[in-house]
Parts: sequence; structure tokens; C-alpha cells
Amino acid sequence: DVKVTQSSRYLVKRTGEKVFLECVQDMDHENMFWYRQDPGLGLRLIYFSYDVKMKEKGDIPEGYSVSREKKERFSLILESASTNQTSMYLCASRGLKDRRSGEFFGPGTRLTVL
Amino acid sequence: KQEVTQIPAALSVPEGENLVLNCSFTDSAIYNLQWFRQDPGKGLTSLLLIQSSQREQTSGRLNASLDKSSGRSTLYIAASQPGDSATYLCAVFNQAGTALIFGKGTTLSVSS
Repeated sequence: DVKVTQSSRYLVKRTGEKVFLECVQDMDHENMFWYRQDPGLGLRLIYFSYDVKMKEKGDIPEGYSVSREKKERFSLILESASTNQTSMYLCASRGLKDRRSGEFFGPGTRLTVL
Repeated sequence: KQEVTQIPAALSVPEGENLVLNCSFTDSAIYNLQWFRQDPGKGLTSLLLIQSSQREQTSGRLNASLDKSSGRSTLYIAASQPGDSATYLCAVFNQAGTALIFGKGTTLSVSS
């Protein structure tokens, strides 16, 4: 079974702090994704990566950056956290060689910025 | 631009009922469609994946259908149970796309 793990389930940070959210997958998937989920807005794509050191902006990249130094790990970085970044963050992965298998999600990180 | 709509937004049924959740999408050029379940405060669990060439997929009490030409998918849940209470999300993967595009979900409540 594909396993996608996220470093924290719950995180509380202060405005202006630098925040790192980590995601690790164990299936050698090429594609990895970061979404945020907000009530009434659904899931929105922040960034995705199709290979090591490669990244593409999603629908709402402002205020975020990402890092993919190793194939299994995809990090989301909030350079200076703001209260409007309080949200549920979900990481996912997808295999390029087997696009038929769909996307697999981690358990989510609930981030609160005070 | 692909848009995915799920109706209804919320649904309450008594235990034992059969029910249908609806998903519609505006661009029929999809690669596949995926149904997910999300429990409160948790991540997404994939329930069923339908390739664009398929008409339906079944897993236990769940059956998902796909009519690509009309831009519709349905998730049928037979003999609903309180444990089925969750939010159900539909998502499509476009042929020219790189990530899933999600509907806003249907929140299901099954009472005992």
C-alpha cells in the first residue's frame, strides 16, 4: 500500500514565523502535491512537483514556497506565516508510470497561525 | 477551465437507505475520476477510481458510474450505515492536466 505521511497533525505558529510542513511518500512516485482545504472553498492546489528539484505553481502559490531535494520528500514552506494561512494542508502523491492508480493523500496538517 | 460540482452539499438519511451522490464536470476530456471519503479533521481516503474508458467501478456497498459524454458521475451507496457518515469528494484528472480538480463535496449523515 502507498503510504503518504506528514510531519505534524496539528501545528500552532505565530504571525511572522517561518513554517515548514514535511511530506514523505514511500512508493517512488514522481509527482507530489500540496493542497490547502478551507470551508466553502474546497481543496485548492498550492504547488506540485513532477520530479526532484522541479516544481510548478498551482492555483494559489502566493505566500508559499516548496522544496524537493529527494524524490520521496516534498516540503511546503511558509516564509512568514499570516493568519489567513490558517488551514488544513494536505499532501498527495501520484506515480507517473502508473497514472491509472490515482492520487494518494496524507493525513493532513491542521495549521493555526495566531 | 474544468469545474466540478457536487450536489447536494449535505444529505441526511436514516440507516439502511440506498443513496446516490452526484458529481458533474464541465470538460469531458478527462483521464480518470476519483471518489474520496474524508472524515472530520482527517485526510482523504480513495474509494473508487474510474478510468475514462470505464463505465463503472464497484467496491463492496459502493458503486461509482461515469458518463463522460454528459459530464456526470454518481456514487451509489447501498444499505447505508452510521459509519458511512463523512464528506464524499469527487475529483477529475484532466487529460492535459497535472493535478486533480475537486468538487466541494457532499457531507453525508446517516442516523441510526
